[in-house]
Amino acid sequence: NAGVMQNPRHLVRRRGQEARLRCSPMKGHSHVYWYRQLPEEGLKFMVYLQKENIIDESGMPKERFSAEFPKEGPSILRIQQVVRGDSAAYFCASSASQGAKNIQYFGAGTRLSVL
Amino acid sequence: SQQGEEDPQALSIQEGENATMNCSYKTSINNLQWYRQNSGRGLVHLILIRSNEREKHSGRLRVTLDTSKKSSSLLITASRAADTASYFCATDADKLIFGTGTRLQVFP
Repeated sequence: NAGVMQNPRHLVRRRGQEARLRCSPMKGHSHVYWYRQLPEEGLKFMVYLQKENIIDESGMPKERFSAEFPKEGPSILRIQQVVRGDSAAYFCASSASQGAKNIQYFGAGTRLSVL
Repeated sequence: SQQGEEDPQALSIQEGENATMNCSYKTSINNLQWYRQNSGRGLVHLILIRSNEREKHSGRLRVTLDTSKKSSSLLITASRAADTASYFCATDADKLIFGTGTRLQVFP
């Protein structure tokens, strides 16, 4: 039973390029969350999606960032025209349900480096 | 704004000693969770305590929750070198709000 799978593990982009981060949730999970972690800091919530719907995107920057979770396939976090400040570890988590019993299972993360 | 704040920021102990980490939060919660993050890895869920619970055990872990003080503590007994990691508390039901973590180093 595979856990949350993220790819790539490491991604290097030059300023102005696009970054696409993928997340396949655990089998049977329909809730996906994206977090960003800067060095020496905790994780910051970005967006919460349920199949085909964005439930909460209050942590997403207003520009250049978008996320989707299509009916088929992985969730994608897309960063357009990357800047050096986008360099961070991006973690995806999934859960089977929402609510007070919500336990999120995390992937190993994608480390984005912007040159 | 950050909801959880862990204290201390860093903790160094010898194998066999107990490690206690604290977490304070600001608003009312449905539950509080503790996670561990090994260097360069994703987070691993350790334990969840609901707002109507005061204490919970899981193996060498003991978590307490005091909703009147809006605080929680994580106790790791008989620590091992493999416990070396960062520990985060997280609150809320849907979007977890993490503190900055306690970096625990256990020396053999």
